[in-house]
Order: sequence, then C-alpha cells, then structure tokens
Amino acid sequence: GAVVSQHPSRVICKSGTSVKIECRSLDFQATTMFWYRQFPKKSLMLMATSNEGSKATYEQGVEKDKFLINHASLTLSTLTVTSAHPEDSSFYICSARDEAGLNTQYFGPGTRLTVL
Amino acid sequence: KQEVTQIPAALSVPEGENLVLNCSFTDSAIYNLQWFRQDPGKGLTSLLLIQSSQREQTSGRLNASLDKSSGRSTLYIAASQPGDSATYLCAVSFTGTYKYIFGTGTRLKVLA
Repeated sequence: GAVVSQHPSRVICKSGTSVKIECRSLDFQATTMFWYRQFPKKSLMLMATSNEGSKATYEQGVEKDKFLINHASLTLSTLTVTSAHPEDSSFYICSARDEAGLNTQYFGPGTRLTVL
Repeated sequence: KQEVTQIPAALSVPEGENLVLNCSFTDSAIYNLQWFRQDPGKGLTSLLLIQSSQREQTSGRLNASLDKSSGRSTLYIAASQPGDSATYLCAVSFTGTYKYIFGTGTRLKVLA
C-alpha cells in the first residue's frame, strides 16, 4: 500500500526556536496534504490543508503565521512551528491524498514535538 | 458545522466478548468513512475504509457498517482479545473537501 513518511519522528527543542516537520508521499503524487494535531488523550484536529503550488488553507483558530506550511512539490509538504512554546508541544500527523487511487488518504506515522 | 462523535468514550470488557463501537456524524454528504486504531503514543493504523456507496466492510474479526441517512457507523469487534486494547477513532471525509473530521474516540480495554 501507499506510504507516507514523516521526519523527524520525535523532536525536543527549546522555547523560542523553530521546528520543521516534513511529510512525504513515497510512492504517489499528492497535490493535497493535510496536517493534524493531537493533544494528549484527545482526538485529532485538522489544522490546515496543504495545496501544492499554492497557499495552505487553515482551519478556524489556527494561526497561519505560527504554523507555516509549504507544499513545494507533489511529494513533500512541510510544517514549520515558528517560535515554539511549551503549549505547542503535541503530536503532529500528516496525511496525503492519492488522487489517482480513489482519493484515498494515507496517514504518516506522526511527529512528537516537545518544547521545553 | 460538521461534527463526528463516538460513544462510548471508554469501554472495558472481558476477553471473548463481542462489542460494538458507535460513530455518528452530522452531515450525510460524506465521501468515505474510515476506522482507525491508535495505540498509546503511536500513530494511526487504518482498520477499515467504507466508501459512501458501500454499506459495510469486513476484515477478519472486524466489521464496519455505514448508514448515511441516519448519520451513523458502527464497528463490530468479534471475540475480543487483550491485544485489541487501544483507542478507536472514526474519521469522516465530507464531500467536496476530502479532509477528515475525526471523532472523539473510544478507549477500549479488553481484560484477560
């Protein structure tokens, strides 16, 4: 089956630094990817829709200047958490939509961010 | 507003029991519905995907049904095992956007 990877799988950083998370579709092209966030013991919440070659669409309440999304190629989307603070600590999961495969979405394994 | 809810929030059963997890959604214009399993501290494992034109899908001891008109899906787990202990998430992809809205999850514990 289709595979989506995320890098890094785990990151610990100091408050005030920026962290970049990569989401790659390994064996299919994805013009659309999605970024989700999961707080401890909670469900996943959609943050934004990443569109290849255009601006991301953010969900209500998500700060676009805080969470920068770049979808520069058909297989890569990046999420940059700028000036991270402890409240940004969370589990971030991406998914990629395979337009050639019944629009099935495949989810990455997630990235655990801890901001000290 | 498109919402997805799951009941019960938590469930504890003895090994061997058959059980049903419920998922409800507010908008019937769905593209597909997917059930996931999530172990503590881990990512998502896709269990079953039901397209909007389908009524059910089966995989081993798992059976998922979909009733769009009533906005409901159920996940049936037969002969539960301790290894089934996890959080089960229902996610609905609505027509037009393809983005998934996740349910609140059901934490299942199967006792040996």
